[in-house]
Amino acid sequence: DAKTTQPNSMESNEEEPVHLPCNHSTISGTDYIHWYRQLPSQGPEYVIHGLTSNVNNRMASLAIAEDRKSSTLILHRATLRDAAVYYCILRGRFGNEKLTFGTGTRLTIIP
Amino acid sequence: DTAVSQTPKYLVTQMGNDKSIKCEQNLGHDTMYWYKQDSKKFLKIMFSYNNKELIINETVPNRFSPKSPDKAHLNLHINSLELGDSAVYFCASSRVVLDRGRKEGEAFFGQGTRLTVV
Repeated sequence: DAKTTQPNSMESNEEEPVHLPCNHSTISGTDYIHWYRQLPSQGPEYVIHGLTSNVNNRMASLAIAEDRKSSTLILHRATLRDAAVYYCILRGRFGNEKLTFGTGTRLTIIP
Repeated sequence: DTAVSQTPKYLVTQMGNDKSIKCEQNLGHDTMYWYKQDSKKFLKIMFSYNNKELIINETVPNRFSPKSPDKAHLNLHINSLELGDSAVYFCASSRVVLDRGRKEGEAFFGQGTRLTVV
């Protein structure tokens, strides 16, 4: 499986934007970039995914580098409820392939 | 309505016992998974079923046996429980859609079952 590298932890002030980076230099042409997050004492939750173009949804935005070797999850206005571990995952072409979780980035929101 | 539900939420049992965890999804998905999250918070896949057929089995001891009676259910039975089996077990199901001929999907996870073996 192609691997991803994320910072272990990040902090951000409440109501400010957050940029969570992810490096995936060995990504293949058919790998999708998925982001999940896990809030305390809950199961992982899908956030967003993309292939080549930047993506936006109600939760976040995903900015993908032109060479696809890195991506950034953007939370436009962090709230305390966004405190979680964020996982950047590469997933192959067929949607029922397994999700391989790394160590993720623990995001702390400062009130 | 809960999309992926697991029962029980907590399970405390003695070494050597046999126990089951149940999982149900009401999303109409065709693929279901079991993940294990250990004390260090690493999430690792154990099994995956597609249309009731086993498609992923990640070097899990034979004491763990998944059973899928239908597409909406994937239960996990564990024989002869050991201390090292203590963990949080997550069930998930996957949505697959067609996008320009390709398949891609997002997974929905249950709330987890915290298993403690004493």
